Amino acid sequence: GENVEQHPSTLSVQEGDSAVIKCTYSDSASNYFPWYKQELGKGPQLIIDIRSNVGEKKDQRIAVTLNKTAKHFSLHITETQPEDSAVYFCAASWWQGGKLIFGQGTELSVKP
Amino acid sequence: EAQVTQNPRYLITVTGKKLTVTCSQNMNHEYMSWYRQDPGLGLRQIYYSMNVEVTDKGDVPEGYKVSRKEKRNFPLILESPSPNQTSLYFCASSFQGQETQYFGPGTRLLVL
Repeated sequence: GENVEQHPSTLSVQEGDSAVIKCTYSDSASNYFPWYKQELGKGPQLIIDIRSNVGEKKDQRIAVTLNKTAKHFSLHITETQPEDSAVYFCAASWWQGGKLIFGQGTELSVKP
Repeated sequence: EAQVTQNPRYLITVTGKKLTVTCSQNMNHEYMSWYRQDPGLGLRQIYYSMNVEVTDKGDVPEGYKVSRKEKRNFPLILESPSPNQTSLYFCASSFQGQETQYFGPGTRLLVL
C-alpha cells in the first residue's frame, strides 16, 4: 500500500544551524505534500505545504523541495531557534482524495 | 474562536466496554478526519469524511466506526475496545481534503 518514509527520526542541531528532514513516498500519484509541527502536548499544526506542480516553496526560514522523479521531498529550516524544537511530520496525499499518509516523525532539538 | 474540540481528553476503560470520543468543529469545514498517534509509527489515519453522510476508511479502520450526520460533528466509536487501541487520538478538520487541517488537542485512551 501507500507509504511515506521519514528520516531521520531524531535530529539535534545548534541554534543558528540549518536542519533538513527528508521524506520519500511510494505512490507516484501523490500530488499534495504538507508538513506539520507538533509541540509537546499539542495537536499538529501545518507549517508549510507543496503541490506537485511546484518544485520548491519558501516561507521565511522554512522551505520545502519536491523531486517527483525520485519521489522525495524535504523540509529545510534555516537559522534554527530553540522554539523550533518539536516533532515534525511529513505527509502525502493524492488526487483530491481525503486519505493522508504521514511519515513516522522527526524529533528536532535545537540547542542554545 | 475557531477550533476543533474533542471529548474526553483522557479516558481509561476496560476491554469490551463501548465508548465514543466526540469531535466538533466550528469552522464550517466539509472535511473531517480521525488519526491515532503511536510512538515510532507517527500519525495513522483511521477514517475520514469528505462531507455529511460521506465517510471512508483510512489506513487503520479496523475496530473503529464513525458517523457524520451533521457537518460540525464527527464522533469516533469503539464498539469493543481492546488493549491494542490504547493510543493518542486526534480529530482534524479542513475546508477540503487537500487543505490545511486543523487538529484538536487529542484524546489519550488507555484500554485495560
